[in-house]
Amino acid sequence: SYDVTQPSSVSVSPGQTARVTCSGDHLGGRFPSWYQQKAGQSPVLVIYEGTKRPSGIPERFSGSTSENTATLTISETQAVDEADYYCQAWDSGIYVFGTGTKVTVL
Amino acid sequence: QVQLVQSAAEVQKPGASVKVSCRASGYNFKNYVMNWVRQAPGQGLEWMGWINPYDGNTQSSEKFQGRLTISRETSASTVHMELSSLTLEDTATYYCARLGNGFDPWGQGTLVTVSS
Repeated sequence: SYDVTQPSSVSVSPGQTARVTCSGDHLGGRFPSWYQQKAGQSPVLVIYEGTKRPSGIPERFSGSTSENTATLTISETQAVDEADYYCQAWDSGIYVFGTGTKVTVL
Repeated sequence: QVQLVQSAAEVQKPGASVKVSCRASGYNFKNYVMNWVRQAPGQGLEWMGWINPYDGNTQSSEKFQGRLTISRETSASTVHMELSSLTLEDTATYYCARLGNGFDPWGQGTLVTVSS
């Protein structure tokens, strides 16, 4: 089965840049997406196809990919960005989520 | 606007089955695949399967094959997820999520509690 790994936690100071990187075999070519989930809420799509931002998502959220990684970058991080973030990959008709990264804004 | 509204929370006994519904509105129901994702308490997201409402084709995770049934009711713009042979480990919040550019939007979630 296909696996995607990501760090369990990332800490960032307000106004600084947070980066969360997911790793997986050929992940960059598997249409990676990123989801933000705040406590008690449903997940929200923040990045799709590795680098694209849905309408309504702030510009401080961006995505990048390499062959085996996908990275979510949050620039000028705000307290409201504190949440769990999940990467997701597509593999031959099925979907796989990473284990999730808790982003803490200190 | 696009909206997914799920059925209410359920409590089931081990060995029973549960059926969760997801009613879509604000778009052409047949044009978008619908996914089911679950999240156990304090845990991460787990993809379960999808259905193409246009033709009823489905695909599910190997983990659930044999006890997961995803169906659609096109006249009601509704997708159903039925999970059988429930165990305590199936206690989770179950979400439907439309596949467009990524999974967007998601339903509000349905808590299924398995308890004897």
